[in-house]
Amino acid sequence: EPEVTQTPSHQVTQMGQEVILRCVPISNHLYFYWYRQILGQKVEFLVSFYNNEISEKSEIFDDQFSVERPDGSNFTLKIRSTKLEDSAMYFCASGGTSGFGELFFGEGSRLTVL
Amino acid sequence: DAKTTQPPSMDCAEGRAANLPCNHSTISGNEYVYWYRQIHSQGPQYIIHGLKNNETNEMASLIITEDRKSSTLILPHATLRDTAVYYCIVRVHQSKLTFGKGITLSVRP
Repeated sequence: EPEVTQTPSHQVTQMGQEVILRCVPISNHLYFYWYRQILGQKVEFLVSFYNNEISEKSEIFDDQFSVERPDGSNFTLKIRSTKLEDSAMYFCASGGTSGFGELFFGEGSRLTVL
Repeated sequence: DAKTTQPPSMDCAEGRAANLPCNHSTISGNEYVYWYRQIHSQGPQYIIHGLKNNETNEMASLIITEDRKSSTLILPHATLRDTAVYYCIVRVHQSKLTFGKGITLSVRP
């Protein structure tokens, strides 16, 4: 069964450092998302991406965040200068050709900012 | 914010049916009802979705009331591995999923 894969599974970084989280969505999907979940809290939407551009973003997704689909297969989330409060599990998701039906989530990348 | 309300938790015995309720009284005509679950800290897993008809797949059944203001997810024979947080979400075409707090289902032996 096709799946969304994310790397790294866990990253520890110092405050102020740049971090790139990588995702390989399901191959024929067209809609891509990043979510995050701070420990013990809800899964929060960050950004959606379609047709090589951001289609929607939340208030969390400020200028420190960016997304890119550099090569047609990977989908990356960059945090330019990490803060302590960026520590969370980050989930990538992709959706099919119609943008409807289910979204498939990866297993997540745990980011720990020290 | 999430447009659904769910009880915070429930439990059921292994092998019995688990019936998870959800209220979505402000649902719009073009919004579907989706159910996802999250086992521990894993990525959310799709279970089922529907518009107005009842739906069934290999994982669960979804019963939507005629007025579409509430629904019930049914796990017909719950196992210990079904212990998870279950999210009821309403969603329009091509929009994001908005997660609430969900309902924590505990399946007891």
